[in-house]
Amino acid sequence: SAVISQKPSRDICQRGTSLTIQCQVDSQVTMMFWYRQQPGQSLTLIATANQGSEATYESGFVIDKFPISRPNLTFSTLTVSNMSPEDSSIYLCSVTSGPDTQYFGPGTRLTVL
Amino acid sequence: GENVEQHPSTLSVQEGDSAVIKCTYSDSASNYFPWYKQELGKRPQLIIDIRSNVGEKKDQRIAVTLNKTAKHFSLHITETQPEDSAVYFCEGGNKLVFGAGTILRVKS
Repeated sequence: SAVISQKPSRDICQRGTSLTIQCQVDSQVTMMFWYRQQPGQSLTLIATANQGSEATYESGFVIDKFPISRPNLTFSTLTVSNMSPEDSSIYLCSVTSGPDTQYFGPGTRLTVL
Repeated sequence: GENVEQHPSTLSVQEGDSAVIKCTYSDSASNYFPWYKQELGKRPQLIIDIRSNVGEKKDQRIAVTLNKTAKHFSLHITETQPEDSAVYFCEGGNKLVFGAGTILRVKS
């Protein structure tokens, strides 16, 4: 299984600012994903981070709000832009190993004041 | 798109009893059905998965059953223990869509 780290683990931010979350994997992986998990809720896929091309966003998520970079097969970033309190959530990256199995990073707990 | 419904939303059992959580999915082309366990403050972790070419898979006290005709799959935990207390999520058919989650409480 892949070992995944995320930075920061948590942050408290002011509204209107932006935060960039980093996801690092210990091996090259094809598929990387970004999820949001609001308090007490399930996981919602934000986008698939594609290496060498623009991320693929799910319905309800747009690049201007959640720009994603994927410069290589072991690293990705998610930026939460122009934050509001509604963006307070846990953000998780995940990767697939094997055909389908997902492994999650430890998550970044974001609080927006 | 894919729709995944998970029931129940909460489940309380006595230690030693069995627990069953069920998910239904909508896409008949789905062929991979994992279950994740998420302890408080931790990341979701895969506990068991099943592919559409089998009807049941077992790993010690946990098992997953799949009914492709009815488009549902279930997580079975036998001889529950307090450390089984967590939130459990199904993922519907390799579509990256998760069920709403089930809070399992095992009372000792």
